[in-house]
Amino acid sequence: QKEVEQNSGPLSVPEGAIASLNCTYSDRGSQSFFWYRQYSGKSPELIMFIYSNGDKEDGRFTAQLNKASQYVSLLIRDSQPSDSATYLCAVTFRTQGGSEKLVFGKGTKLTVNP
Amino acid sequence: GAVVSQHPSRVICKSGTSVKIECRSLDFQATTMFWYRQFPKQSLMLMATSNEGSKATYEQGVEKDKFLINHASLTLSTLTVTSAHPEDSSFYICSARDYSVSDTQYFGPGTRLTVL
Repeated sequence: QKEVEQNSGPLSVPEGAIASLNCTYSDRGSQSFFWYRQYSGKSPELIMFIYSNGDKEDGRFTAQLNKASQYVSLLIRDSQPSDSATYLCAVTFRTQGGSEKLVFGKGTKLTVNP
Repeated sequence: GAVVSQHPSRVICKSGTSVKIECRSLDFQATTMFWYRQFPKQSLMLMATSNEGSKATYEQGVEKDKFLINHASLTLSTLTVTSAHPEDSSFYICSARDYSVSDTQYFGPGTRLTVL
């Protein structure tokens, strides 16, 4: 069974700090990795995607991927109260029929305290 | 980023009625759309993959006769919850895959269904 694991939190950081969110996945063959942000009562919003090992930076967000360890993370620098949300890690898995399916972790709830 | 709309945003219906939810990709063509369901404090669960011009692929445990999916055009997929019951009350979210942006899925705003 394809699995994506995240620490459910809650993770609480002070404003201006770095928030670190972690995710592991079960399928070594996965190729695409996504981070979504979901505010309460809203649908997920794409933050970043990453395909290659290493770091990918976009503004205050940095995604890190280590395929050997089957590990992907999201760093949020200079955290703001508006970053308070649930962060979903999503990984594509290839099904037996050859199609790709996106599997989500349960999400980590982040609270940034003013 | 790509924009996906969903209608209605909220619906309240009586038990036994059918509800149709529309999902549209506004600025790109989506040969593949996805329907998810999310219960409170739980993650998104994929219900089915909707392919333009062909039958939807349902996940294990999802009743295809209860959740009817139609993907008649490259910009529109519909989900019909037939004979809805209170246990079908949930947050239904569609997404569309934009192949021009590296297979990324963009989500609609969701439809909150309440069955009385």
